[in-house]
Amino acid sequence: AQSVSQHNHHVILSEAASLELGCNYSYGGTVNLFWYVQYPGQHLQLLLKYFSGDPLVKGIKGFEAEFIKSKFSFNLRKPSVQWSDTAEYFCAVNVGSIHGSSNTGKLIFGQGTTLQVKP
Amino acid sequence: DAMVIQNPRYQVTQFGKPVTLSCSQTLNHNVMYWYQQKSSQAPKLLFHYYDKDFNNEADTPDNFQSRRPNTSFCFLDIRSPGLGDAAMYLCATSSRTGTYEQYFGPGTRLTVT
Repeated sequence: AQSVSQHNHHVILSEAASLELGCNYSYGGTVNLFWYVQYPGQHLQLLLKYFSGDPLVKGIKGFEAEFIKSKFSFNLRKPSVQWSDTAEYFCAVNVGSIHGSSNTGKLIFGQGTTLQVKP
Repeated sequence: DAMVIQNPRYQVTQFGKPVTLSCSQTLNHNVMYWYQQKSSQAPKLLFHYYDKDFNNEADTPDNFQSRRPNTSFCFLDIRSPGLGDAAMYLCATSSRTGTYEQYFGPGTRLTVT
């Protein structure tokens, strides 16, 4: 069965530190990749997504992620975190071509990483 | 603003007492999803509707049912809640075209006493 692993469950950083959150998935075919963020008391919202093209994708709030197909990875990065980045971050995978009629849009989520940024 | 709305935000029910959670959307998306998220765990897809077509995940217990009377509304029915069903229930929508970006509601936290 397909699965998504986020290696860091809880990360604590000081403001201005650089961030990298790991995400690996287990599926050898076409995938579409997402990072979602959940700020305290708020709903899940999309940070960035990859489905084709340039493997380095940029999202909102200065976040970026790199798809490395050979490593089955889609790590999230930010050069300099802020206190307001304190949140839970979820990596998610959709399997199959977005053009395929059989793709239901189903997301498989990782367990999430709680990021705490100290002011 | 277009959005996904879930009601109620908090729901307390008794063991074995049926409960219904509600989701509505103003995005006019044709796909609606229900996820269950337990504490410190990943959201887990229970089922989804593509228009009126219902798609159940293989491991979703029979205790969980869903209805979608129209494009805008979708309901999650738990017929006989057990203590293990206490969780956050998330509704999401997406368009069948594009990249399947899902838009999430704020969730309903269900407590079973």
